[in-house]
Amino acid sequence: DSGVTQTPKHLITATGQRVTLRCSPRSGDLSVYWYQQSLDQGLQFLIQYYNGEERAKGNILERFSAQQFPDLHSELNLSSLELGDSALYFCASSPSWNTEAFFGQGTRLTVV
Amino acid sequence: TQLLEQSPQFLSIQEGENLTVYCNSSSVFSSLQWYRQEPGEGPVLLVTVVTGGEVKKLKRLTFQFGDARKDSSLHITAAQPGDTGLYLCAGARNNQGGKLIFGQGTELSVKP
Repeated sequence: DSGVTQTPKHLITATGQRVTLRCSPRSGDLSVYWYQQSLDQGLQFLIQYYNGEERAKGNILERFSAQQFPDLHSELNLSSLELGDSALYFCASSPSWNTEAFFGQGTRLTVV
Repeated sequence: TQLLEQSPQFLSIQEGENLTVYCNSSSVFSSLQWYRQEPGEGPVLLVTVVTGGEVKKLKRLTFQFGDARKDSSLHITAAQPGDTGLYLCAGARNNQGGKLIFGQGTELSVKP
């Protein structure tokens, strides 16, 4: 157990819908990262927050957004969902903005 | 463009055999991490290497960071069925916060 908690574990939704994925980092970690893993693209970095502020951004779609709250948990919002958004979404956390990251168990999103 | 190329993509061996997984790039990384991922789970950090030429050993696993910090290798001695899984290398750069660039992974199967 990495100490990073993600909910829900599985999510099935229809195209065009909006979902929110939640992540609680390890105790004491200030950085939260979101990654998307699909069969054809592998693990792709989406976005990083450090102590509530956006720190780094990857190829995150405009339909996706994230935030980190004062209690350091983070949410990833995915809207206008398409079939191609079906993937595993991982959250990771680390103590600082450039230290080793520890991954949660992921949320498997299926868009039908 | 895949910045980190892993090879081989698939590897099926018998218990007791040795194997090496390679992670290559044309770019320099400030550090490189190796993860192991099992189906339905998040990646689990195995090791981080930060110095060119560095060698780290973790029981039967030996990790090496290339002198130029552009490549890395993972060597497993006397593989066991419990080593089965997806091995991922991931590189970090100083000017990109905690963003990790992942290789496509090596799917290892060790048969008893």
